[in-house]
Amino acid sequence: LAKTTQPISMDSYEGQEVNITCSHNNIATNDYITWYQQFPSQGPRFIIQGYKTKVTNEVASLFIPADRKSSTLSLPRVSLSDTAVYYCLVGNSGGYQKVTFGTGTKLQVIP
Amino acid sequence: EAGVTQFPSHSVIEKGQTVTLRCDPISGHDNLYWYRRVMGKEIKFLLHFVKESKQDESGMPNNRFLAERTGGTYSTLKVQPAELEDSGVYFCASSQPTTEQFFGPGTRLTVL
Repeated sequence: LAKTTQPISMDSYEGQEVNITCSHNNIATNDYITWYQQFPSQGPRFIIQGYKTKVTNEVASLFIPADRKSSTLSLPRVSLSDTAVYYCLVGNSGGYQKVTFGTGTKLQVIP
Repeated sequence: EAGVTQFPSHSVIEKGQTVTLRCDPISGHDNLYWYRRVMGKEIKFLLHFVKESKQDESGMPNNRFLAERTGGTYSTLKVQPAELEDSGVYFCASSQPTTEQFFGPGTRLTVL
């Protein structure tokens, strides 16, 4: 499974857009990029998944450049409740593949 | 729809004792996974069930850990005997064949 690198922590003010970038230089051709969110005392929660270009859902957008060696999770207009750890994972799509968590990015939203 | 549930939420035991953790996946999910996070470390994969069969148990740390999934429904993870380094949070996740994994809230295990 491809290793990922992302910032350990980030701070943002409420209402701002937050972009968290993840590097995955060894991504394989059939790998997808998935982001999870984890609040304290809870299990990780799926946010978004993509293969290339841009994916958007009601929670976030995921930008993936052509070489797919990195990806950026974009959270629009964050609120205090978005304070959490965000994990970037790379691996086969679907639920049949174990996921490998890195250190994650701890996002602190400031009022 | 009920999510993945885990029991107990917390467990405190003494070294050498036995503990059994339980996971109830989302109904209809054939895939069930166990993960754990020990203090200060990343969340690590332990094993993967497809229905009642162990698909991948490459992450199980040693033979003190035994996972079962009777009838392909709920799963148990038994630690016997527990050691201090087993302390951490144990997560269970379930999924359908082509969906993301849904995680439970975890069981916090403390071995004294």
